[in-house]
Amino acid sequence: EIVLTQSPGTLSLSPGERATLSCRASQSLSNNNLAWYQQKPGQAPRLLIYGASSRATGIPDRFSGSGSGTDFTLTITRLEPEDFAVYYCQHYGGSPYTFGQGTRLEIK
Amino acid sequence: EEQLVQSGAEVKKPGESLKISCKGSGYSFNSHWVAWVRQMPGKGLECMGIIFPGDSDTMYSPSFQGQVSISADKSISTAYLQWSSLKASDTAMYYCARLQGGMDVWGQGTTVTVSS
Repeated sequence: EIVLTQSPGTLSLSPGERATLSCRASQSLSNNNLAWYQQKPGQAPRLLIYGASSRATGIPDRFSGSGSGTDFTLTITRLEPEDFAVYYCQHYGGSPYTFGQGTRLEIK
Repeated sequence: EEQLVQSGAEVKKPGESLKISCKGSGYSFNSHWVAWVRQMPGKGLECMGIIFPGDSDTMYSPSFQGQVSISADKSISTAYLQWSSLKASDTAMYYCARLQGGMDVWGQGTTVTVSS
């Protein structure tokens, strides 16, 4: 089973700043099958990025994903108030699909 | 509109059985894998298993193997998650989601509360 470790656990930033979230896999992900999700309180998760770097439909271009192999990054440029939420990475290259433990992005 | 609609909240007692559902519409439900995801109160996301409704091919995550049963009825575009004997520790929100380059369409979630 692939273990995904996200860092930091909590990130405190101000609107307008840049956020950099990390996701490290315990083994190399085939075809970079890595997704990022945003979850707000009381809502289902929303797919942001798939294939490590492709934005899902309707996702603003301030969200970008990068990385390959075992190290992946989600970057949010110019944070908007609605971006403060919990973010999860997930691999989907083969069962069992696992999620990272999440990074909470909070307003400083 | 592509969507997954889940059954409503459930309150059960320990030892009772339960089956919750996830109905797809607006896309070819039988041609896409569907995942079930657990979120315990205040915790992160856990993929319990996946099913391909077209032929009911199912894969369980090791932590959930033997604890739940995932099934589908392709004639009504519906996937199910079932417990034969609930425990208090099954209290959680359960989501279904379509697998297409990650989980791109999510149900609204079903809250399951197990309490004596």
